[in-house]
Amino acid sequence: EIVLTQSPATLSLSPGERATLSCRASQSVSSYLAWYQQRPGQAPRLLIYDSSNRATGVPARFSGSGSGTDFTLTISSLEPEDFAVYYCQQRSKWPLTFGGGTKVEIK
Amino acid sequence: EVQLLESGGDLVQPGGSLRLSCAASGFSFSSYVMSWVRQAPGKGLEWVSSITSSGDRTNDAESVKGRFTISRDNSKNTVYLQMSSLRAEDTAVYYCAKGIGGNFYDVWGQGTLVTVSS
Repeated sequence: EIVLTQSPATLSLSPGERATLSCRASQSVSSYLAWYQQRPGQAPRLLIYDSSNRATGVPARFSGSGSGTDFTLTISSLEPEDFAVYYCQQRSKWPLTFGGGTKVEIK
Repeated sequence: EVQLLESGGDLVQPGGSLRLSCAASGFSFSSYVMSWVRQAPGKGLEWVSSITSSGDRTNDAESVKGRFTISRDNSKNTVYLQMSSLRAEDTAVYYCAKGIGGNFYDVWGQGTLVTVSS
């Protein structure tokens, strides 16, 4: 099973600041990695798929990069609605796996 | 509007069974992979099961293999999760999700809560 390790577990930032979230895979997943945002009490929302493709309707301040085992989600300037939990997910090999999540909280 | 609506969640005793349903609307259901993903209280996301667009192939997480069965009825635009031999650790909100480019998920339902407790 491919283990996805997200860091940091919690990121404390202020609105307007840049957020950089990391996802590391235990083996190569090529570019088959996605990022999701989950706000409290809501279902997850797809942000990025295939490492760097923004999903429909996702603002340009969200960007993804990486390949192989190291991936990054960047939020260029945090808006109030961006404070949430973010998960990465791989679809390179069964079983599909998610990372443990990074909580982006208001400093 | 693209929508997924889950139902069937309930309180069930350990060892019991339950069937979840997910009704889809607003898209060509029979063209997409569908999956179930769960989230235990206060925990992260866990993929459970996936089924191809035609229903000819399924994949399951090891934690549910042999106990859960995913199926779909394309004539009813509905995907199911039959759960048996339920355990306390199956307690979670269960989401159904529509696949994009395979098994990434661009549409999610609101979730249905399954509680396994005596």
